Amino acid sequence: EAQVTQNPRYLITVTGKKLTVTCSQNMNHEYMSWYRQDPGLGLRQIYYSMNVEVTDKGDVPEGYKVSRKEKRNFPLILESPSPNQTSLYFCASSLPPQLGGTQYFGPGTRLTVL
Amino acid sequence: QKEVEQDPGPLSVPEGAIVSLNCTYSNSAFQYFMWYRQYSRKGPELLMYTYSSGNKEDGRFTAQVDKSSKYISLFIRDSQPSDSATYLCAMKEVTGGSEKLVFGKGTKLTVNP
Repeated sequence: EAQVTQNPRYLITVTGKKLTVTCSQNMNHEYMSWYRQDPGLGLRQIYYSMNVEVTDKGDVPEGYKVSRKEKRNFPLILESPSPNQTSLYFCASSLPPQLGGTQYFGPGTRLTVL
Repeated sequence: QKEVEQDPGPLSVPEGAIVSLNCTYSNSAFQYFMWYRQYSRKGPELLMYTYSSGNKEDGRFTAQVDKSSKYISLFIRDSQPSDSATYLCAMKEVTGGSEKLVFGKGTKLTVNP
């Protein structure tokens, strides 16, 4: 089954404690992205990757890091989380736009930073 | 002006009604236009994906893009209670080796039996 998986699904942590949210896809997609979704602000892109070792900033990259060492995985790293990073996070993977661009989202990770 | 504007609703309609959802945008460089459906506590799922102006139909769903007016629409015919969800428009600009994807804030739709 084609899918994007995220772990953990729920996380409560404290300010300053480094954390990683993993994302994995089994569709051999080149494109992967991270988004955060906040009430009243909608879905905003944090980082995206167009291929292995190729990443670029989205609209709200501050406080986040990513890496793309292999095609299937795209972890999101919060080196020093702060309360304003409390949000619902989605990972997504997709084909390149010229091949249709269909995007698949993961189930989401709800993060609370105290 | 925000890059993408979408009326958040909420929108409540009776079962069987035709639903019209709309977004406007200001960036004329957007090339790809999408509609996503998001059920509560789930990730968005792609409904429609279009590249150019015009109409695209898929079952009960029709997407319209008017680039000259910077306006996109999603029509749902014979709406069903299972269509109750938040609908997000999204637009993408691709230039060289980078892309920019912007979402609307979503319109919450309830279809009442």
